Formats: sequence, C-alpha cells, structure tokens
Amino acid sequence: EAGVAQSPRYKIIEKRQSVAFWCNPISGHATLYWYQQILGQGPKLLIQFQNNGVVDDSQLPKDRFSAERLKGVDSTLKIQPAKLEDSAVYLCASRFTGGSGGELFFGEGSRLTVL
Amino acid sequence: SQQGEEDPQALSIQEGENATMNCSYKTSINNLQWYRQNSGRGLVHLILIRSNEREKHSGRLRVTLDTSKKSSSLLITASRAADTASYFCAWTGIQGAQKLVFGQGTRLTINP
Repeated sequence: EAGVAQSPRYKIIEKRQSVAFWCNPISGHATLYWYQQILGQGPKLLIQFQNNGVVDDSQLPKDRFSAERLKGVDSTLKIQPAKLEDSAVYLCASRFTGGSGGELFFGEGSRLTVL
Repeated sequence: SQQGEEDPQALSIQEGENATMNCSYKTSINNLQWYRQNSGRGLVHLILIRSNEREKHSGRLRVTLDTSKKSSSLLITASRAADTASYFCAWTGIQGAQKLVFGQGTRLTINP
C-alpha cells in the first residue's frame, strides 16, 4: 500500500515570496490533515479536511495561508507571502475514518526555509 | 496552550535499559496515541489507548493512561539503538472529536 506522498521535500525561499506544498493521501482516506512542525516542537494542526470540506481551520493564519482539497483526494497548502517564522516542516497526514480514534498516516514532510 | 506537556524533554540511556516518557494533557479525551519520529522523517503511529482503558501493550511498548490525572506514560523495555527518535503523545478530545492534538515530544537517545 502506497503511503502519503508529499512534495517538494525541501524548499528555500526569501521572505514575502510564495510557496505551495502538495499532498496525496492514502487511497480511500477521507480525512486529510496539514500540520506545521517548528524545529524542536510537536506538530500543530493547521487545517483538517473531511473529503473536500473543511472540518477545522481554527489555527490556520488565513491572511497568508490557504489550503484546498479539490475532489476530496489530494491537497495543496499555499503560503503567500511567507514570513521568517514560517520556516518549519509541513506535514500532511491522512486517516481512513472521520470519526474519533484511528491512527494517522504521515508523509515525510516538506521542509521550508524562509530567508 | 492547547498542547500538553511531555516529560522529560530529552532522555539519554544505555542500550538495554528501559525508557519511560510521560505526557500530560488538559481536556477530556476519547483516546490518546503515541507516535515516533526519526530525525528528518514523518511520524509513525505506535499505539492507541482509549479513555476507558488503563494499560495497553504492544511488543516492547507499554502505555498507561490515568484520566483522573490527565496523564499517560510510554515505557519502552530493553531499548535498542534503533529506538533513538522523538516520541510524541497526541489526543483526541471529546469536543471536536476528530482533532488530534500533539504534545511537545521527548527526544530519546539510546547509547550503544
């Protein structure tokens, strides 16, 4: 079974530039998550989708971050314009069921460095 | 902070010893999970314990849950060099039940 795919693995940009990350979840997984992990910290949820609808985006900085999940499969997370504090690893995860419980399957992450 | 705490932040032990990591959270939960993260990699699920369970085992892993104290512990017995990683607890609250919130993690180093 193929895992969660993310790209790019690494990205270096200057502040005020834009960047986009792509995620393809495990086939059949209805729930998709984007987490931000700053070095030395635990992952922080940015947005959660159930199929192509947003379940929770309370911690997404909406003035600069946006995410979509067209057709309820793969997803894109965009940052525009980027700030220095956006330097982090952006993790995508998926889960088969939208109900409580159940393990998350994570991708390898996209490491963003903002200069 | 919505995130709980993990203790210790870093732990270094000799191969073959047992490693214990603790997690505290702030809300009523449906379940609590533990994940491992090797350096530069994504997180891998280890074990899930439900709110009505007190202890669970999986191979060399033993997890306990005390909902009255809002705390959990992960014990790794007979540690190996390959266990070197960061370990995170994560919980699903009763309200907004689908949201998985992570702790800050414990960085475990196993010395050969």
